[in-house]
Amino acid sequence: AQSVTQPDIHITVSEGASLELRCNYSYGATPYLFWYVQSPGQGLQLLLKYFSGDTLVQGIKGFEAEFKRSQSSFNLRKPSVHWSDAAEYFCAVARDSNYQLIWGAGTKLIIKP
Amino acid sequence: GAVVSQHPSRVICKSGTSVKIECRSLDFQATTMFWYRQFPKQSLMLMATSNEGSKATYEQGVEKDKFLINHASLTLSTLTVTSAHPEDSSFYICSARDRSGGLYEQYFGPGTRLTVT
Repeated sequence: AQSVTQPDIHITVSEGASLELRCNYSYGATPYLFWYVQSPGQGLQLLLKYFSGDTLVQGIKGFEAEFKRSQSSFNLRKPSVHWSDAAEYFCAVARDSNYQLIWGAGTKLIIKP
Repeated sequence: GAVVSQHPSRVICKSGTSVKIECRSLDFQATTMFWYRQFPKQSLMLMATSNEGSKATYEQGVEKDKFLINHASLTLSTLTVTSAHPEDSSFYICSARDRSGGLYEQYFGPGTRLTVT
């Protein structure tokens, strides 16, 4: 069965420092992968997605993610975080049978001033 | 961009009463809407998928008689929690799929915090 694991419940990073949020998936074929961000009072927003092609995907707000099939990973990165990046981040994989999303547990990003 | 609204954003109700949550796509037509439940510090759990004009498809373990879903138009879906109990307290999120967009594109509402006392 398809599944998504985000091993870090929360991560604390200093403002201006680089960020990497981990995501591992379990899926037999080529997965469709997503990263979403959830801020208080706002709906989940799509940061980026991977369907095929270039394994390094660029997203909004300066985020990028790299698909590594050999490691079954789709880690999210940002070279320099801003205080406004503090939020909950979710990785998801699409269920191919009905296009619905299977979600990871989320990683809460805390920014230190 | 595509906007999805939810109303109310917060609701407190007494045990045994019913609560209706609305989900609207504001600037696009949504043939499919999804309802999720999110527990504190946990991920989203898909409750059901609703297609305009047809009955909702519920995920395994979700009581369809308790969580009534109606998708009466291409811009509105409602979730009614019937005879609510404290264990129904949660954060409910809807999302909508744009009929002109990709099959994997979903736009999310801001969520509704339900507290049952």
